[in-house]
Amino acid sequence: KAGVTQTPRYLIKTRGQQVTLSCSPISGHRSVSWYQQTPGQGLQFLFEYFSETQRNKGNFPGRFSGRQFSNSRSEMNVSTLELGDSALYLCASSLVAVTNTEAFFGQGTRLTVV
Amino acid sequence: AQSVTQLDSHVSVSEGTPVLLRCNYSSSYSPSLFWYVQHPNKGLQLLLKYTSAATLVKGINGFEAEFKKSETSFHLTKPSAHMSDAAEYFCVVSERGARQLTFGSGTQLTVLP
Repeated sequence: KAGVTQTPRYLIKTRGQQVTLSCSPISGHRSVSWYQQTPGQGLQFLFEYFSETQRNKGNFPGRFSGRQFSNSRSEMNVSTLELGDSALYLCASSLVAVTNTEAFFGQGTRLTVV
Repeated sequence: AQSVTQLDSHVSVSEGTPVLLRCNYSSSYSPSLFWYVQHPNKGLQLLLKYTSAATLVKGINGFEAEFKKSETSFHLTKPSAHMSDAAEYFCVVSERGARQLTFGSGTQLTVLP
């Protein structure tokens, strides 16, 4: 059974640019969540999608957005990149909701903004 | 609102000695609690989870944790540390219906030979 796949693994972008990260969940999983990991703020929740609908959103500016497709694959987009957006972005997939079922994490996308 | 506090940012133990990583949580409702481990340049792996069944939860690689509601604690233990246990450990809480995981700040475990 394939795990959660995040692409690309590494990205270097310039301030002001935009970036799109991709996450393919485990087959059959319908919930996809995104988290940002930085040394200063730790792991913070960005948003959660289920069956193409955003069900929950963390405390991030509107520059951070996402979507989920009918095959459960998800993308997140960050526009007008800032230096502080440099982070490891982790995607998690679960069958239904993360509360009671295990969330499986991908290896993440390391974004560096210069 | 849900939150979690990991009481130690760094823990060092010698190989073969017990491991104790401490976690306190705050939750308005009956929470689910998890411990995840992250090895360098790797994603997060679930060690164990508590979801209102038995209060003593056994996980992978010999780890276990005990849910103590009166103390709002969920400490992670292992009887004997192995070099391969060196990693960062996260205590995580999720309230029913929250649809998100709230992570603690992490504890870096070092295992000395």
